[in-house]
Amino acid sequence: DTAVSQTPKYLVTQMGNDKSIKCEQNLGHDTMYWYKQDSKKFLKIMFSYNNKELIINETVPNRFSPKSPDKAHLNLHINSLELGDSAVYFCASSHADRTTKSYEQYFGPGTRLTVT
Amino acid sequence: EDQVTQSPEALRLQEGESSSLNCSYTVSGLRGLFWYRQDPGKGPEFLFTLYSAGEEKEKERLKATLTKKESFLHITAPKPEDSATYLCAVQASGALIFGKGTTLSVSS
Repeated sequence: DTAVSQTPKYLVTQMGNDKSIKCEQNLGHDTMYWYKQDSKKFLKIMFSYNNKELIINETVPNRFSPKSPDKAHLNLHINSLELGDSAVYFCASSHADRTTKSYEQYFGPGTRLTVT
Repeated sequence: EDQVTQSPEALRLQEGESSSLNCSYTVSGLRGLFWYRQDPGKGPEFLFTLYSAGEEKEKERLKATLTKKESFLHITAPKPEDSATYLCAVQASGALIFGKGTTLSVSS
C-alpha cells in the first residue's frame, strides 16, 4: 500500500501550457504539502494545507494554485508554464503540528516536470 | 532568519569506515529536527525526529544526536546500501526548512 502517491511521475510539456499534478495520501493525516526540488537538489516548501485550509503559501508565482478537495488529496495546478518551472515536485503529508511539537512528514515519489 | 547548514556536502567512505554528518541550525523555538534519506529519483524517506538537546535516536547503523546548535548523524560500519543523500530539516514557527544535504558514497 503506497502511503503518499503522486501522478504523473514524469511530465514533459511546452512553455505556455497548463498542467496539473495530483497527490493522495492514505495515512489519515490532516496536513499536506507541496515542495519543489531544484536542479541543485534543494528542497523548498511551496504550500501547506491543513484540513483543506491553506496555512502556508511561500513566495510562489500566482501561476501555481493548489487545490484540496478533501483531507486526503492535494493537487497542484500550474498555468502558463515557464522553463524555470522545470524541477521535481514532491507532495508530503503529516499529522497536524502541535504548538510546541511538529510531526514528521512523509513524502511521495515526486513528479519530474520538464518544460521545453 | 532560520537557517540549516549541512556538512560536508559529499562524503566518500570505505565499507566499515564509520563517520558523522553534521547539521548546524539557527532557529527560534525549535519544534523538531528531522533526518531524511533520499535515494536518486525517489522522495525523501523519514529516518528520525529529535525534539530536545541531549536526545538520541538509533536505527540499525544510524544514530542521530541533538544539541542546542547542531545535530549529528553517526554512521557505524556503513555498507554500500547506505549510499544516499541525507537531508536535515528543522521546524520552528513556520515551514519545515531543509539543508542542502550530504551525499554519502560507500564503496566495498
